[in-house]
Amino acid sequence: GEDVEQSLFLSVREGDSSVINCTYTDSSSTYLYWYKQEPGAGLQLLTYIFSNMDMKQDQRLTVLLNKKDKHLSLRIADTQTGDSAIYFCAETLNTGGFKTIFGAGTRLFVKA
Amino acid sequence: NAGVTQTPKFRVLKTGQSMTLLCAQDMNHEYMYWYRQDPGMGLRLIHYSVGEGTTAKGEVPDGYNVSRLKKQNFLLGLESAAPSQTSVYFCASRKSWGQSNSPLHFGNGTRLTVT
Repeated sequence: GEDVEQSLFLSVREGDSSVINCTYTDSSSTYLYWYKQEPGAGLQLLTYIFSNMDMKQDQRLTVLLNKKDKHLSLRIADTQTGDSAIYFCAETLNTGGFKTIFGAGTRLFVKA
Repeated sequence: NAGVTQTPKFRVLKTGQSMTLLCAQDMNHEYMYWYRQDPGMGLRLIHYSVGEGTTAKGEVPDGYNVSRLKKQNFLLGLESAAPSQTSVYFCASRKSWGQSNSPLHFGNGTRLTVT
């Protein structure tokens, strides 16, 4: 079945870059997403990438997609304490209902 | 424009009790979803709806029922709550078919504890 995997924890120092990695299984996914969840809140879309792209940059965020290896990564440049949150990788399936499958989430700790 | 609103925010149930979680969206979205979030497991899809009057099972539907009588509302019911249903429940919505790039819009969640 469909599966999205990512590591559970990442700790970085303020000002460093953070790289969160994800692997997925469904090669038919058209879009892949990164969502951010802050404590006590729902998930908010951070960025997304279309499956025919290799890279997308959006201010401090860089998304890299290796479709051959089904590997997605999110790089946050100049990580700030406000970036501390859980980051979810997700793929939307091209099936009825456009179900979105989420990874378990990577908890990012930013040390001052 | 409130987005996706979930009620209640918190609830404690005893085993065997029933309850309904309410989700309302004011964005005229066709698709609505119920997820549960458990530590280390990410979000798992319980049920979803592709339009008013239609529902379908997701990954973990057992013990839950849903209804979509109005386009803006998606209700999640627990007929006989069990401790395994202790979780945080999220409702989400998105635009219709043909716009698979449309992201999910989430509510702030309902934290349910079953004792």
